[in-house]
Amino acid sequence: DSGVTQTPKHLITATGQRVTLRCSPRSGDLSVYWYQQSLDQGLQFLIQYYNGEERAKGNILERFSAQQFPDLHSELNLSSLELGDSALYFCASSVADRSTSYEQYFGPGTRLTVT
Amino acid sequence: AQSVTQLDSHVSVSEGTPVLLRCNYSSSYSPSLFWYVQHPNKGLQLLLKYTSAATLVKGINGFEAEFKKSETSFHLTKPSAHMSDAAEYFCVVSDWTGNQFYFGTGTSLTVIP
Repeated sequence: DSGVTQTPKHLITATGQRVTLRCSPRSGDLSVYWYQQSLDQGLQFLIQYYNGEERAKGNILERFSAQQFPDLHSELNLSSLELGDSALYFCASSVADRSTSYEQYFGPGTRLTVT
Repeated sequence: AQSVTQLDSHVSVSEGTPVLLRCNYSSSYSPSLFWYVQHPNKGLQLLLKYTSAATLVKGINGFEAEFKKSETSFHLTKPSAHMSDAAEYFCVVSDWTGNQFYFGTGTSLTVIP
């Protein structure tokens, strides 16, 4: 158990809908990272927050947004969902804002299925 | 730009035999490199990391990797495979800020009893 929690574990929704994925980092970690894992794209970095501020952006679509709250939990919002958004979404946390020296701890993931 | 190439999508070994998972990287600066493991229906777990210290890096569960700049490689090895090693393995390089990770496409390791 990494100490990172993600809810829900599974999510099934229809195209065009909007969903929110939630992540609680390990106690003491200030950075939260979001990743998407799909069969065709592999594992891709989406976005990073550090202590409430956006710190880095990867291959995140404009239909997707995220935020980190004062209690450091983070939410990833996915809107106007398409079939291709079906994937496993991981959250990871780290104590610092740079992960070259600090490990990222991954949550168990949220499996999103868009029908 | 940074990237990693995992040379084998699937590797199959017999229990008790050595494991070699190959990774080549591309980076315009001195990279930080990682190996992560993902067991079925689980999140990713860090096996080991290279951050410009010793070129031979030892990780958890008997795994190690050697950073070879001349070959731009960071291959993962283990002397003796165990059934519990069956999983997906990802080679990862970070960008110069340390904020963005670039994952390889993964290598699925099968261990035959």
